[in-house]
Amino acid sequence: RKEVEQDPGPFNVPEGATVAFNCTYSNSASQSFFWYRQDCRKEPKLLMSVYSSGNEDGRFTAQLNRASQYISLLIRDSKLSDSATYLCVVTSYSSASKIIFGSGTRLSIRP
Amino acid sequence: DVKVTQSSRYLVKRTGEKVFLECVQDMDHENMFWYRQDPGLGLRLIYFSYDVKMKEKGDIPEGYSVSREKKERFSLILESASTNQTSMYLCASSLTTGELFFGEGSRLTVL
Repeated sequence: RKEVEQDPGPFNVPEGATVAFNCTYSNSASQSFFWYRQDCRKEPKLLMSVYSSGNEDGRFTAQLNRASQYISLLIRDSKLSDSATYLCVVTSYSSASKIIFGSGTRLSIRP
Repeated sequence: DVKVTQSSRYLVKRTGEKVFLECVQDMDHENMFWYRQDPGLGLRLIYFSYDVKMKEKGDIPEGYSVSREKKERFSLILESASTNQTSMYLCASSLTTGELFFGEGSRLTVL
């Protein structure tokens, strides 16, 4: 079983829709959680950190469920520019090498 | 803004050639990383470095070596390139675990 798993998609939704996807992790000792965004043929960029209490940044909401070992990303009022691959990242403080990337979920927003 | 610069965006090499990929960051980050990204496999860590002259193997170090003589520079070396090393190579740096800043990537093709 992969340490971090994501549904690869693609998720194809109309502009203005709300879309959510999850990421599950297997190591219960994981400490920090992040969502990255990667545009086609570009490098990944940090979208947002995921805090235990959940956090919101404009149209984006990230949540952590430690009991069930998953994080989620919700995008409201989706825009064409939201089309990208979303990578979840799970880390452990024990080592900088324990930064585990999911394979990504591809999102495509249609007009 | 943090800037991570990779020396070559596109390279084409022949099997058996020695390949150098260079990465420079301008934010005095302690940690630097080399990943490769392949379709369906996500990002896989090759090596990382947490200080000058310090390095640790990641998940797939075979066929690669690294050098970190200065804090801002982290080089990836393919001693004898093979066709299965055709990939996108991404360098990253970070101050804290999980918040990585990536370079634009180097797409290597080995013929």
